[in-house]
Amino acid sequence: QSVLTQSPSASGTPGQRVTISCSGSSSNIGKNYVYWYQQLPGTAPKLLIYRDNQRPSGVPDRFSGSKSGTSASLAISGLRSEDEADYYCAAWDDSRSGLFGGGTKLTV
Amino acid sequence: EVQLVESGGGLVQPGGSLRLSCAVSGITVSGNYLTWVRQAPGKGLEWVSVIYSDGTTYYAASVKGRFTIARDISKNTLYLQMDTLRAEDTAVYYCARDRFGEVDLDYWGQGTLVTVSS
Repeated sequence: QSVLTQSPSASGTPGQRVTISCSGSSSNIGKNYVYWYQQLPGTAPKLLIYRDNQRPSGVPDRFSGSKSGTSASLAISGLRSEDEADYYCAAWDDSRSGLFGGGTKLTV
Repeated sequence: EVQLVESGGGLVQPGGSLRLSCAVSGITVSGNYLTWVRQAPGKGLEWVSVIYSDGTTYYAASVKGRFTIARDISKNTLYLQMDTLRAEDTAVYYCARDRFGEVDLDYWGQGTLVTVSS
């Protein structure tokens, strides 16, 4: 069981806005930055959001990240069929290790 | 262009050893934080280990004492030595550049499959 907790699944219809949550603790999300990754079937993960709410070059502004206390969220607006993927949150932990959430499978 | 290419995966018996390689181009292994992440079949991502530019290393509890991360600066290559392998180590292993050393993985390899089975 992952230390960072995500809902296993989420769904939405094209054009909708969906939110994926990630819950941690004071030793990880509460103290360190949160990162979000998108993994399309059969491919390596791709960095989607870094340092809580920053988008790498090339990531559409439909994707946004936020954090409050020991929880973080990824929001996807204007949902598209190509957004159907697995989404993972990640953070560094004070135990000197990295952590990933269990992943959320998004169905469009 | 930054590229990371893993190799060395395969079938190994429980208790055996395997060394994974990650050939890096476009950046130097000496000047970057590099990480191994794995994904068991049909499962989520699991952080495995990181080596900092100063050589400091950290490991997940599940592999500590069995896996060793290392780098060869002359070959610009990252390694993961895996000993005392268990069935639960079966996974696709990815190497990735960690930009800030805080699970900020901006470049990934394509992965190499390790299967631990008798």
